[in-house]
Amino acid sequence: GESVGLHLPTLSVQEGDNSIINCAYSNSASDYFIWYKQESGKGPQFIIDIRSNMDKRQGQRVTVLLNKTVKHLSLQIAATQPGDSAVYFCAENIQSGGSYIPTFGRGTSLIVHP
Amino acid sequence: GAVVSQHPSRVICKSGTSVKIECRSLDFQATTMFWYRQFPKQSLMLMATSNEGSKATYEQGVEKDKFLINHASLTLSTLTVTSAHPEDSSFYICSFFLGTTQETQYFGPGTRLLVL
Repeated sequence: GESVGLHLPTLSVQEGDNSIINCAYSNSASDYFIWYKQESGKGPQFIIDIRSNMDKRQGQRVTVLLNKTVKHLSLQIAATQPGDSAVYFCAENIQSGGSYIPTFGRGTSLIVHP
Repeated sequence: GAVVSQHPSRVICKSGTSVKIECRSLDFQATTMFWYRQFPKQSLMLMATSNEGSKATYEQGVEKDKFLINHASLTLSTLTVTSAHPEDSSFYICSFFLGTTQETQYFGPGTRLLVL
């Protein structure tokens, strides 16, 4: 599975720059992916999702790219703001019965400098 | 968006005692919910999946007799950490699952448990 137990990688950017956060997933059967933002001491917050039949999806200031060939996801944040500072997790989901069972990636800590 | 609450938000207890954490959905009902544990600077680790009215399904390595889950209604689930030890100190997060739509899971704000 993911690198449980290792410290989070960190991405430092200047305010206004674009940020790219990467995630490798492990299960080729995963067909639904979600990016979450987690601020310190809080639960994860949904940002954007993408299904395996797509390779790109855009939201407000965010874009998710999916490369199923190499099992890789990325989250692009345009014009990064200090309020974007948080830990970002990707989650791969595998359908089991009527539910999706999520597995979270290791996360990346984004630090935005004003 | 949907709102999920957890109570308490923080708890400190002595080793050997039991602690109950409540997770409530405030404006929706869901049959499936998840409990996660998160150690500092690490990812969320799924502990168990529960469906209302059924026994929870625990992930490998999670002791079901130590982490008791009661999912008695569509809006309430509880996690009881029995005979807590310092190594159980962690951030516990619940989430409700609404289905295969956008914003599939709604997470609670988490409960910080410190066992002395």
